Amino acid sequence: GAGVSQTPSNKVTEKGKYVELRCDPISGHTALYWYRQSLGQGPEFLIYFQGTGAADDSGLPNDRFFAVRPEGSVSTLKIQRTERGDSAVYLCASSLWGRGGETQYFGPGTRLLVL
Amino acid sequence: DAKTTQPPSMDCAEGRAANLPCNHSTISGNEYVYWYRQIHSQGPQYIIHGLKNNETNEMASLIITEDRKSSTLILPHATLRDTAVYYCVLLRYGQNFVFGPGTRLSVLP
Repeated sequence: GAGVSQTPSNKVTEKGKYVELRCDPISGHTALYWYRQSLGQGPEFLIYFQGTGAADDSGLPNDRFFAVRPEGSVSTLKIQRTERGDSAVYLCASSLWGRGGETQYFGPGTRLLVL
Repeated sequence: DAKTTQPPSMDCAEGRAANLPCNHSTISGNEYVYWYRQIHSQGPQYIIHGLKNNETNEMASLIITEDRKSSTLILPHATLRDTAVYYCVLLRYGQNFVFGPGTRLSVLP
Protein backbone atom coordinates (compact mmCIF):
# COMPACT_ATOMS: atom_id res chain seq x y z
CA GLY A 1 0.00 0.00 0.00
CA ALA A 2 0.93 3.65 -0.08
CA GLY A 3 3.55 4.85 2.35
CA VAL A 4 3.85 8.15 4.18
CA SER A 5 3.77 11.08 1.80
CA GLN A 6 4.88 14.65 2.39
CA THR A 7 4.30 17.81 0.42
CA PRO A 8 5.92 19.85 -0.84
CA SER A 9 9.15 17.94 -1.38
CA ASN A 10 11.07 21.22 -1.42
CA LYS A 11 10.16 24.65 -0.11
CA VAL A 12 12.17 27.86 -0.46
CA THR A 13 10.98 30.86 1.49
CA GLU A 14 12.25 34.19 2.74
CA LYS A 15 13.09 35.02 6.31
CA GLY A 16 9.99 36.14 8.18
CA LYS A 17 7.49 34.29 6.01
CA TYR A 18 4.97 31.67 7.11
CA VAL A 19 5.15 28.09 5.82
CA GLU A 20 3.00 24.99 6.06
CA LEU A 21 4.29 21.47 5.57
CA ARG A 22 1.86 18.60 5.01
CA CYS A 23 2.06 14.93 5.97
CA ASP A 24 -0.23 12.12 4.83
CA PRO A 25 0.34 9.09 7.06
CA ILE A 26 -0.25 5.48 6.16
CA SER A 27 -3.99 4.83 6.15
CA GLY A 28 -5.22 3.59 9.51
CA HIS A 29 -2.18 4.70 11.49
CA THR A 30 -3.26 6.55 14.61
CA ALA A 31 0.19 7.75 15.66
CA LEU A 32 1.99 10.47 13.72
CA TYR A 33 5.40 12.01 14.40
CA TRP A 34 7.29 15.04 13.12
CA TYR A 35 11.07 15.18 13.15
CA ARG A 36 13.59 17.71 11.90
CA GLN A 37 16.96 16.78 10.45
CA SER A 38 19.85 19.17 9.98
CA LEU A 39 22.73 18.39 7.67
CA GLY A 40 24.96 15.61 8.99
CA GLN A 41 22.80 14.86 12.01
CA GLY A 42 20.18 12.30 12.90
CA PRO A 43 16.49 13.22 12.96
CA GLU A 44 15.38 15.27 15.97
CA PHE A 45 11.92 14.72 17.47
CA LEU A 46 9.46 17.63 17.32
CA ILE A 47 5.93 16.42 18.13
CA TYR A 48 3.85 13.24 18.39
CA PHE A 49 0.11 12.90 17.74
CA GLN A 50 -2.10 10.12 19.03
CA GLY A 51 -5.23 10.54 16.96
CA THR A 52 -6.17 14.21 16.81
CA GLY A 53 -4.35 15.29 19.94
CA ALA A 54 -0.72 16.14 20.48
CA ALA A 55 0.49 13.57 23.00
CA ASP A 56 3.98 15.05 23.26
CA ASP A 57 5.10 18.39 21.85
CA SER A 58 8.23 18.68 23.95
CA GLY A 59 10.48 18.79 20.90
CA LEU A 60 9.02 21.93 19.34
CA PRO A 61 11.85 24.48 19.58
CA ASN A 62 9.69 27.57 20.28
CA ASP A 63 6.21 29.00 19.83
CA ARG A 64 6.81 29.78 16.16
CA PHE A 65 6.27 26.08 15.51
CA PHE A 66 2.81 24.57 15.64
CA ALA A 67 1.24 21.39 14.29
CA VAL A 68 -2.31 20.17 13.86
CA ARG A 69 -4.05 16.95 12.95
CA PRO A 70 -7.75 17.92 13.01
CA GLU A 71 -9.27 14.69 11.69
CA GLY A 72 -6.70 12.24 12.96
CA SER A 73 -5.10 11.56 9.60
CA VAL A 74 -3.37 14.37 7.67
CA SER A 75 -1.13 16.64 9.71
CA THR A 76 0.23 20.10 9.00
CA LEU A 77 3.37 21.55 10.55
CA LYS A 78 3.21 25.33 10.62
CA ILE A 79 6.18 27.64 11.05
CA GLN A 80 5.63 31.34 11.62
CA ARG A 81 8.18 34.11 11.05
CA THR A 82 10.70 31.69 9.59
CA GLU A 83 14.38 32.12 10.39
CA ARG A 84 17.43 30.94 8.49
CA GLY A 85 18.10 28.45 11.28
CA ASP A 86 14.82 26.71 10.47
CA SER A 87 16.37 25.40 7.25
CA ALA A 88 16.36 21.62 7.49
CA VAL A 89 14.62 18.49 6.27
CA TYR A 90 11.30 18.00 8.04
CA LEU A 91 10.37 14.34 8.32
CA CYS A 92 7.04 12.80 9.14
CA ALA A 93 6.50 9.24 10.37
CA SER A 94 3.48 7.17 11.33
CA SER A 95 2.81 3.98 13.24
CA LEU A 96 -0.28 1.91 13.91
CA TRP A 97 -0.91 2.63 17.59
CA GLY A 98 2.18 4.41 18.92
CA ARG A 99 3.11 1.51 21.17
CA GLY A 100 6.50 0.04 21.94
CA GLY A 101 7.46 -2.65 19.49
CA GLU A 102 5.76 -0.92 16.60
CA THR A 103 7.56 0.32 13.54
CA GLN A 104 7.54 3.97 12.60
CA TYR A 105 7.44 4.44 8.84
CA PHE A 106 9.02 7.62 7.56
CA GLY A 107 8.12 9.78 4.62
CA PRO A 108 10.66 11.26 2.19
CA GLY A 109 10.74 14.60 3.97
CA THR A 110 10.27 18.24 3.01
CA ARG A 111 13.47 20.20 2.43
CA LEU A 112 12.94 23.71 3.76
CA LEU A 113 15.35 26.48 2.83
CA VAL A 114 14.91 29.87 4.44
CA LEU A 115 16.81 32.62 2.63
CA ASP B 1 20.83 12.87 24.09
CA ALA B 2 20.81 9.58 22.24
CA LYS B 3 21.08 6.54 24.47
CA THR B 4 23.09 4.62 21.89
CA THR B 5 26.65 4.95 20.65
CA GLN B 6 27.85 3.84 17.24
CA PRO B 7 31.12 4.18 15.34
CA PRO B 8 30.93 7.20 13.02
CA SER B 9 31.96 5.27 9.92
CA MET B 10 32.74 1.79 8.59
CA ASP B 11 33.81 0.25 5.31
CA CYS B 12 32.77 -3.11 3.94
CA ALA B 13 33.72 -4.96 0.78
CA GLU B 14 30.90 -5.73 -1.63
CA GLY B 15 29.59 -9.26 -1.15
CA ARG B 16 30.94 -9.56 2.37
CA ALA B 17 28.94 -9.38 5.58
CA ALA B 18 28.64 -5.94 7.18
CA ASN B 19 28.55 -6.03 10.98
CA LEU B 20 27.45 -2.75 12.54
CA PRO B 21 27.82 -2.48 16.32
CA CYS B 22 25.74 -0.44 18.74
CA ASN B 23 26.20 0.13 22.45
CA HIS B 24 23.17 0.83 24.67
CA SER B 25 24.45 0.16 28.15
CA THR B 26 21.63 2.07 29.89
CA ILE B 27 18.78 0.35 28.06
CA SER B 28 15.60 -0.20 30.08
CA GLY B 29 13.80 -3.51 30.25
CA ASN B 30 10.89 -2.32 28.12
CA GLU B 31 12.94 -0.59 25.43
CA TYR B 32 13.16 -2.09 21.98
CA VAL B 33 16.27 -1.85 19.79
CA TYR B 34 15.50 -0.52 16.31
CA TRP B 35 17.70 -0.14 13.28
CA TYR B 36 16.97 2.28 10.46
CA ARG B 37 19.05 3.38 7.53
CA GLN B 38 19.03 6.53 5.50
CA ILE B 39 20.22 6.70 1.96
CA HIS B 40 21.17 10.16 0.77
CA SER B 41 18.20 12.51 0.38
CA GLN B 42 15.65 9.92 1.47
CA GLY B 43 13.68 9.39 4.66
CA PRO B 44 14.88 6.77 7.17
CA GLN B 45 14.03 3.23 6.13
CA TYR B 46 13.08 0.63 8.73
CA ILE B 47 15.35 -2.41 8.79
CA ILE B 48 14.64 -4.51 11.87
CA HIS B 49 13.90 -4.36 15.58
CA GLY B 50 14.01 -6.61 18.63
CA LEU B 51 13.53 -6.72 22.38
CA LYS B 52 15.52 -9.65 23.75
CA ASN B 53 15.80 -12.33 21.12
CA ASN B 54 17.83 -12.29 17.95
CA GLU B 55 15.79 -11.40 14.90
CA THR B 56 16.14 -12.02 11.18
CA ASN B 57 14.22 -10.76 8.18
CA GLU B 58 14.82 -10.48 4.47
CA MET B 59 17.09 -7.48 4.91
CA ALA B 60 19.23 -8.22 7.92
CA SER B 61 19.84 -10.00 11.21
CA LEU B 62 19.87 -8.39 14.65
CA ILE B 63 21.98 -9.91 17.40
CA ILE B 64 21.27 -8.62 20.92
CA THR B 65 23.61 -9.60 23.73
CA GLU B 66 22.14 -11.46 26.68
CA ASP B 67 22.53 -8.45 28.98
CA ARG B 68 20.99 -6.27 26.23
CA LYS B 69 23.72 -3.69 26.57
CA SER B 70 24.81 -3.96 22.98
CA SER B 71 23.63 -5.23 19.62
CA THR B 72 24.94 -5.88 16.13
CA LEU B 73 23.18 -5.41 12.82
CA ILE B 74 24.35 -7.87 10.20
CA LEU B 75 23.88 -7.34 6.47
CA PRO B 76 24.84 -10.81 5.21
CA HIS B 77 25.94 -9.90 1.68
CA ALA B 78 26.49 -6.18 1.37
CA THR B 79 25.89 -4.51 -1.98
CA LEU B 80 26.74 -1.03 -3.20
CA ARG B 81 23.10 -0.07 -2.60
CA ASP B 82 23.60 -0.71 1.11
CA THR B 83 25.82 2.36 1.36
CA ALA B 84 23.93 4.58 3.82
CA VAL B 85 23.86 6.00 7.33
CA TYR B 86 22.66 3.36 9.78
CA TYR B 87 20.92 4.39 13.00
CA CYS B 88 20.52 2.28 16.11
CA VAL B 89 17.73 3.73 18.28
CA LEU B 90 15.77 2.70 21.36
CA LEU B 91 12.03 2.99 21.79
CA ARG B 92 9.53 2.26 24.51
CA TYR B 93 5.79 2.78 24.68
CA GLY B 94 4.60 6.33 24.48
CA GLN B 95 7.97 7.72 23.56
CA ASN B 96 9.68 8.90 20.44
CA PHE B 97 12.95 7.95 18.82
CA VAL B 98 16.08 9.82 19.89
CA PHE B 99 18.50 9.49 16.99
CA GLY B 100 22.25 9.86 17.28
CA PRO B 101 24.51 10.62 14.31
CA GLY B 102 24.58 6.95 13.24
CA THR B 103 27.24 4.98 11.36
CA ARG B 104 28.08 5.89 7.80
CA LEU B 105 28.59 2.56 6.02
CA SER B 106 30.48 2.60 2.76
CA VAL B 107 30.29 -0.58 0.68
CA LEU B 108 33.33 -0.70 -1.57
CA PRO B 109 33.51 -2.52 -4.94
